[in-house]
Amino acid sequence: DIQMTQSPSAMSASVGDRVTITCRASQDISEFLDWFQQKPGKVPKRLIHAASSLESGVPSRFSGSGSGTEFTLTISSLQPEDFATYYCLQYKSYPYTFGQGTKLEI
Amino acid sequence: QVQLQQWGAGLLKPSETLSLTCGVYGGSFRGYYWSWIRQPPGKGLEWIGEITHSGSTYYNPSLRSRVAISVDSSKKQFSLKVTSVTATDTAVYYCAGGIFGDFVHYWGQGALVTVSS
Repeated sequence: DIQMTQSPSAMSASVGDRVTITCRASQDISEFLDWFQQKPGKVPKRLIHAASSLESGVPSRFSGSGSGTEFTLTISSLQPEDFATYYCLQYKSYPYTFGQGTKLEI
Repeated sequence: QVQLQQWGAGLLKPSETLSLTCGVYGGSFRGYYWSWIRQPPGKGLEWIGEITHSGSTYYNPSLRSRVAISVDSSKKQFSLKVTSVTATDTAVYYCAGGIFGDFVHYWGQGALVTVSS
């Protein structure tokens, strides 16, 4: 199985900060990686598809980069509604695997 | 625009079989890939398995011996069964799907399944 290691697992930040979350894959997954945002009690919302493609309707302050084994999700200027938990997902090979999540708190 | 709506029993006793169904509305069904994902309370997301447009199934090894995913193309539905459930199967279960290379584009609303005696 491909292991996805997210870091940090939790972090505190302030409105206006630039935030970077990292996901490392245990083997090369090319660009078969998505990023999701989840708020309490809600369905995960996909932000980034295929490592760097911004989903329609997602603010441009979100961006994704990387390929191979290292990926980053960047929020250029945190807004109050961005405080949530973020997950990466690899779908290069079965079983698909999620990172353990990064909880972003004020 | 594809929409997924899921339903099934929300309260089970240990050793019973979990059964959930996901209906696909507003778009195509054939040619798509359909997955199930779960999230225990307060924990992260876990991919359970997928059924491809050709009917091939792939399961998470952690659940493979107890899981089955099937489709009913005539009804545009796919289903999940998990046998011999225990309290550790308590989770919100999501259905998801998409085309090749975009496997989890669409998500259902989620369904809490609680296993308790």
